[in-house]
Amino acid sequence: AQKITQTQPGMFVQEKEAVTLDCTYDTSDQSYGLFWYKQPSSGEMIFLIYQGSYDEQNATEGRYSLNFQKARKSANLVISASQLGDSAMYFCAMREGGFKTIFGAGTRLFVKA
Amino acid sequence: DTGVSQDPRHKITKRGQNVTFRCDPISEHNRLYWYRQTLGQGPEFLTYFQNEAQLEKSRLLSDRFSAERPKGSFSTLEIQRTEQGDSAMYLCASTMTTGKTNYGYTFGSGTRLTVV
Repeated sequence: AQKITQTQPGMFVQEKEAVTLDCTYDTSDQSYGLFWYKQPSSGEMIFLIYQGSYDEQNATEGRYSLNFQKARKSANLVISASQLGDSAMYFCAMREGGFKTIFGAGTRLFVKA
Repeated sequence: DTGVSQDPRHKITKRGQNVTFRCDPISEHNRLYWYRQTLGQGPEFLTYFQNEAQLEKSRLLSDRFSAERPKGSFSTLEIQRTEQGDSAMYLCASTMTTGKTNYGYTFGSGTRLTVV
């Protein structure tokens, strides 16, 4: 069963605008972690932001914030004030049991000048 | 600290040959992971180590795949009798485990394998 679902294969956003990348997940664990990674065309995966299942506040890291809705099992990434350098693949990921992390299929973001 | 290093960056091999990839994690990281990524997909978990112990291996992983992490430092991933379906990017990642659990992975640049 697919555990991480990213329904947007591609997204466009105008430079300086905000964009939301969707992610839903499926788990029966009470303790888990949610992550977002960025993969530019150069190929290297870059860790962006983390949200723990028990965290009451939504995580924020600079221009990145994670909109965590536990009851809906969603963990959307919000990028504010988009920049041309934000054009990349974005992967939502989940870690269960403190060990391995599984990834979604990704969303390709295109930032338009 | 130069991050996670992977060698080689690219490998072209003929079907049926064996290949070996190397990963050097960040020195203070005790966990090391191998993932495989095909075009347009997210990384797929292969295996991981805590120090020198291999704690989990994907059930999807054929017996042709083996990984080691001697002395808990660098790791190697070997694929025996390569098949065209093995063509992919092989990613190595490392992380540390302490009382906190919110460490994301640090990934290497990957090894792109092409089986012809």
